[in-house]
Amino acid sequence: AQSVTQLDSQVPVFEEAPVELRCNYSSSVSVYLFWYVQYPNQGLQLLLKYLSGSTLVESINGFEAEFNKSQTSFHLRKPSVHISDTAEYFCAVSEMDSSYKLIFGSGTRLLVRP
Amino acid sequence: KAGVTQTPRYLIKTRGQQVTLSCSPISGHRSVSWYQQTPGQGLQFLFEYFSETQRNKGNFPGRFSGRQFSNSRSEMNVSTLELGDSALYLCASSLAQGGATEAFFGQGTRLTVV
Repeated sequence: AQSVTQLDSQVPVFEEAPVELRCNYSSSVSVYLFWYVQYPNQGLQLLLKYLSGSTLVESINGFEAEFNKSQTSFHLRKPSVHISDTAEYFCAVSEMDSSYKLIFGSGTRLLVRP
Repeated sequence: KAGVTQTPRYLIKTRGQQVTLSCSPISGHRSVSWYQQTPGQGLQFLFEYFSETQRNKGNFPGRFSGRQFSNSRSEMNVSTLELGDSALYLCASSLAQGGATEAFFGQGTRLTVV
């Protein structure tokens, strides 16, 4: 069985500062890794994903995440955050042979202050 | 291309009643998954349907059921509602034709049980 741990329930940061949201996973099989973002009263939007290949993946809005197999981590980073990045961020994994079933972490609320 | 549509967006029901939620996937997507999101338990996988067949089920009681129609639209039913069933119910659709498939989420149905 897989599990996902997001140690930080809330991360406050000032605008234009860098941020890192941590994600660690546990699985006995190979997995795909995802970061989703949820704005208030909305569903989940895919931010980025790691399927294979380069361990560094980037999103169109400046976020990046690096897959570290030895540390079983997939931390999300952004060098300079904006007020509009305030949202809840979820890390998720899925088994490679049942990629439709996502196991989510408990989420990290990113609060960007002016 | 239209996204995943969930209806209704908001619902208030009384304990003991039953409720049916609807999900229309993205055109061409044959897999529909359902998730329950609560502050206490986070995001939990309910079940997944592919070509009208339930392929996988999460750890929920039998009061939670679903089905998928030939046009891939899906419904989720909860019978004998309990206060603890109050949650945001999210539907996700994907191609799920082998290999890595991305899940696209709807905006959810917020169910309140009083």
